[in-house]
Amino acid sequence: GNSVTQMEGPVTLSEEAFLTINCTYTATGYPSLFWYVQYPGEGLQLLLKATKADDKGSNKGFEATYRKETTSFHLEKGSVQVSDSAVYFCALVTTGGTSYGKLTFGQGTILTVHP
Amino acid sequence: DAGVTQSPTHLIKTRGQQVTLRCSPKSGHDTVSWYQQALGQGPQFIFQYYEEEERQRGNFPDRFSGHQFPNYSSELNVNALLLGDSALYLCASSLGQFGEKLFFGSGTQLSVL
Repeated sequence: GNSVTQMEGPVTLSEEAFLTINCTYTATGYPSLFWYVQYPGEGLQLLLKATKADDKGSNKGFEATYRKETTSFHLEKGSVQVSDSAVYFCALVTTGGTSYGKLTFGQGTILTVHP
Repeated sequence: DAGVTQSPTHLIKTRGQQVTLRCSPKSGHDTVSWYQQALGQGPQFIFQYYEEEERQRGNFPDRFSGHQFPNYSSELNVNALLLGDSALYLCASSLGQFGEKLFFGSGTQLSVL
């Protein structure tokens, strides 16, 4: 079956620090990979995605590269802001007849950024 | 343009009771997926509704059932509640069964005592 493993959290950083949140996956088939973000009191929002090996997804200064050889999709940002404080979820879906509604999520990583 | 709305926002029930949660998809969306998010965990897929039929289902018992109405809104029903059903229940909508972009609601927090 499909599974996603994220680095243990929570992560606490100072503003302007470099961020890495590790994500590795196991999938039957050829997955599309996603990062979702959940701000306090809000629903999950798609942050970025990548649909094939070596693709780089990017949005709002965040980046993640689809690494098939290491089955990884690590999230990075060069300089975090206080407003980036949220819970980050790595997720995948295996296509080929499976809808994008059936995502498999990691356990989430809580990020707190201090001024 | 309203996003995905869920009701109620919070709910407290007793073991053995039944509960109904409601979801209105984003305007223009016709597909609804439901997820259960236990405290400190990632969301787990329950099922998806499209054209008023359950199209896919995750590893949840038959106590979890749903419905989709002609206006694309959806209900999640849970019978014979267990303590372990306490969680945040999320609804996500998309355009078409294979729509790539999901929009999530803020969820219903269910507490079972």
